[in-house]
Amino acid sequence: DAEITQSPRHKITETGRQVTLACHQTWNHNNMFWYRQDLGHGLRLIHYSYGVQDTNKGEVSDGYSVSRSNTEDLPLTLESAASSQTSVYFCASSGTGNTEAFFGQGTRLTVV
Amino acid sequence: GENVEQHPSTLSVQEGDSAVIKCTYSDSASNYFPWYKQELGKRPQLIIDIRSNVGEKKDQRIAVTLNKTAKHFSLHITETQPEDSAVYFCAADDYKLSFGAGTTVTVRA
Repeated sequence: DAEITQSPRHKITETGRQVTLACHQTWNHNNMFWYRQDLGHGLRLIHYSYGVQDTNKGEVSDGYSVSRSNTEDLPLTLESAASSQTSVYFCASSGTGNTEAFFGQGTRLTVV
Repeated sequence: GENVEQHPSTLSVQEGDSAVIKCTYSDSASNYFPWYKQELGKRPQLIIDIRSNVGEKKDQRIAVTLNKTAKHFSLHITETQPEDSAVYFCAADDYKLSFGAGTTVTVRA
């Protein structure tokens, strides 16, 4: 069965370190998204991609970057981790057009 | 960009009663409006969606209505059950999903 997986599921890192969260989908979806979830804020869009070599900034993109070198993967990099980036991160993918988005299991990131 | 507002933030209902969650959006280009349910510690999962050419859609105990002129849409859950307790998110899609802040629904037995 097709799926979308994130790794790691939990990570603790120190302030200032670079961190990369992985997202891999086997749906063959063109669209991929990264969200962060914080209490009271719902799901806020960080970056998104409509296909290989395409990346776009979302509403809370400062301090984050993504790259899309193939259809299956959209890794999220925190260039210099800050305590404000402690959150639960969800990756999602969807097909072309207005179709259901499928979410990964989430990654809980703690920056100390 | 799209701005989605969702109300209420928390909702407590007696088992068997109905629950209603309301959302508004700002971008008239949005034409797809999904609703997601997230149980504690789990990922969000789609429960129902509606497209802009439809005013209402129903799936068993869940229904969604859309008013494009007023830019608002609502989720209705009838005959609530304990397993309906979760966080519900509305979203609007202008080629990227923008979510509301969520509603925590608690169904009291």
